[in-house]
Amino acid sequence: AQSVTQLGSHVSVSEGALVLLRCNYSSSVPPYLFWYVQYPNQGLQLLLKYTTGATLVKGINGFEAEFKKSETSFHLTKPSAHMSDAAEYFCAVSDQNNDMRFGAGTRLTVKP
Amino acid sequence: DSGVTQTPKHLITATGQRVTLRCSPRSGDLSVYWYQQSLDQGLQFLIQYYNGEERAKGNILERFSAQQFPDLHSELNLSSLELGDSALYFCASSSTGGANSPLHFGNGTRLTVT
Repeated sequence: AQSVTQLGSHVSVSEGALVLLRCNYSSSVPPYLFWYVQYPNQGLQLLLKYTTGATLVKGINGFEAEFKKSETSFHLTKPSAHMSDAAEYFCAVSDQNNDMRFGAGTRLTVKP
Repeated sequence: DSGVTQTPKHLITATGQRVTLRCSPRSGDLSVYWYQQSLDQGLQFLIQYYNGEERAKGNILERFSAQQFPDLHSELNLSSLELGDSALYFCASSSTGGANSPLHFGNGTRLTVT
């Protein structure tokens, strides 16, 4: 079965600094990959997804992620962090079995 | 607003009891998913329905059951509740239920078992 590993349960950056949240996946078939964000007391919201085609995927709020098959990675980046980016971020993988598996999440803190 | 509605928002009950969580998917979505989120287990996939039929099953306990009705709303039934069942339960929906179809999440039902 497919799975994802998110490296770092907590990441702290200063406002304006680069955000890098790491995700590695395991899948026996070409995966579909997703990043979701969860704000306090809310459900998860889709940031971006990779299905096929271009390996650099742009999402909402200035985030992007690059699918690297050779590294089995799908890291999330944003050039300049904003205070409103503070939230929990989840990487997810899905395959033809249709169940979407989520990583353990990374809590992003943005310092002023 | 994702368009997915979950009721109730909060539920407090005692061990051994049974509860029902309800979910209305986003308009036009045919597939419903249930997830359990807890601090120690993270976000765990429970079950998926597509147009009334069970499509995929995850780590769902035998004490738990779900169904999707003809109007596409779904219910998750939790019985013989234990303290460890305390968690946030999310419903999500997608248009086709396909592996490349993103999920739209409700705001969850917070279950507390005392």
